[in-house]
Amino acid sequence: GQQLNQSPQSMFIQEGEDVSMNCTSSSIFNTWLWYKQDPGEGPVLLIALYKAGELTSNGRLTAQFGITRKDSFLNISASIPSDVGIYFCAGLTFGNEKLTFGTGTRLTIIP
Amino acid sequence: DVKVTQSSRYLVKRTGEKVFLECVQDMDHENMFWYRQDPGLGLRLIYFSYDVKMKEKGDIPEGYSVSREKKERFSLILESASTNQTSMYLCASSVAGTSGRAPDLEQFFGPGTRLTVL
Repeated sequence: GQQLNQSPQSMFIQEGEDVSMNCTSSSIFNTWLWYKQDPGEGPVLLIALYKAGELTSNGRLTAQFGITRKDSFLNISASIPSDVGIYFCAGLTFGNEKLTFGTGTRLTIIP
Repeated sequence: DVKVTQSSRYLVKRTGEKVFLECVQDMDHENMFWYRQDPGLGLRLIYFSYDVKMKEKGDIPEGYSVSREKKERFSLILESASTNQTSMYLCASSVAGTSGRAPDLEQFFGPGTRLTVL
């Protein structure tokens, strides 16, 4: 089955730094979603994007739906310790209730 | 508060054993999913169900089967566990419908079961 490629695979940053990660696909999606997985828990939805070019924010998080519909980006500003975890992108095409998940970006904050 | 629960957080089994992973959701959702999560591979769909007694194969169904006898419960079965099935297993549920709106798309996940097959 298809998988989405996320980069970077892992990030080590200091508290207060901004974070950027992206997700690319070989095919088009109609909806992009970003999930976060805290250590020891299941993923939780952060942001949903529905239109090419759309930019959506949720607090310090901002996500964009790429113009080509084959990619999406997530930015976190002024990182804090609770941002630690694994971030997954997921894509959806109309008429299909299955999400295709990315490979994940593991974020670690160095004290 | 929405809730998806999984029967065990940690499980250790031996090669060849039959393994049952149980998932229960209390949100009256139509759709339920089983994924496995491996480092560097993200979440891969094993099976999903969009109604009681209905099931569809995901991307990696080999070596697994599922059962959905009741709407709230979705079971993953490893008929004969093998070491390459050592992984984190995640269950999720969502409402039916493909309107494209976030409430219909959001999948709610359980905490996961970390299965080790020796």
